[in-house]
Amino acid sequence: EIVMTQSPATLSVSPGERATLSCRASQSVSSNLAWYQQKPGQAPRLLIYGGSTRATGIPARFSGSGSGTEFTLTISSLQSEDFAVYYCQQHNNWPPMYTFGQGTKLEIK
Amino acid sequence: EVQLVESGGGLVQPGGSLRLSCAASGFTFSSYEMNWVRQTPGKGLEWVSYISSSGSPTYYADSVRGRFTISRDNGKNSLYLQMNSLRAEDTAVYYCAKARTSGTGALEPWGQGTLVTVSS
Repeated sequence: EIVMTQSPATLSVSPGERATLSCRASQSVSSNLAWYQQKPGQAPRLLIYGGSTRATGIPARFSGSGSGTEFTLTISSLQSEDFAVYYCQQHNNWPPMYTFGQGTKLEIK
Repeated sequence: EVQLVESGGGLVQPGGSLRLSCAASGFTFSSYEMNWVRQTPGKGLEWVSYISSSGSPTYYADSVRGRFTISRDNGKNSLYLQMNSLRAEDTAVYYCAKARTSGTGALEPWGQGTLVTVSS
């Protein structure tokens, strides 16, 4: 099983500042990495797929980078609605055995 | 608008069974692979099962293989998860999620989830 490790567990950032979230895979997943945002009481929402491609309707302040085992989600200028929990997910396996990171909680500083 | 609506969750005793449903609308259901993902406070998000657009093949997480069965009815735009021999550790919110495009495991969108509680 590919283990996904996210850091930090909690990130405190002020509105308007940049946030950088990390995700590491225990083995290469190529670019088959997705990022999701989850707000309290809601389902996860796809932000980034293919490591760096924004999903439909996702603002340009969200960007993803990386390949292989190291990935980063950057939010360039935090808005109030961006404070949430963020998960990474690898979907490199076939047959599918998708795995998620444990999440990073982005909170207001 | 693409929409997924789960139903069928509830309280069940250990060893019992439950069938979850997911009603799809706003897209050509028969063209897309579908998945079930669950979420617990302790273990976070866990992928549970996958089904191809035609209904075969299907795949399962090790934790549920042999106890859960995923299926779909393309004529009714519906996805199902039959859960047998339920355990306390199966307690979670269960989401159905559509593959963003064929052949990818990026999931979009997700339903709102249905809560399954396994307890005596």
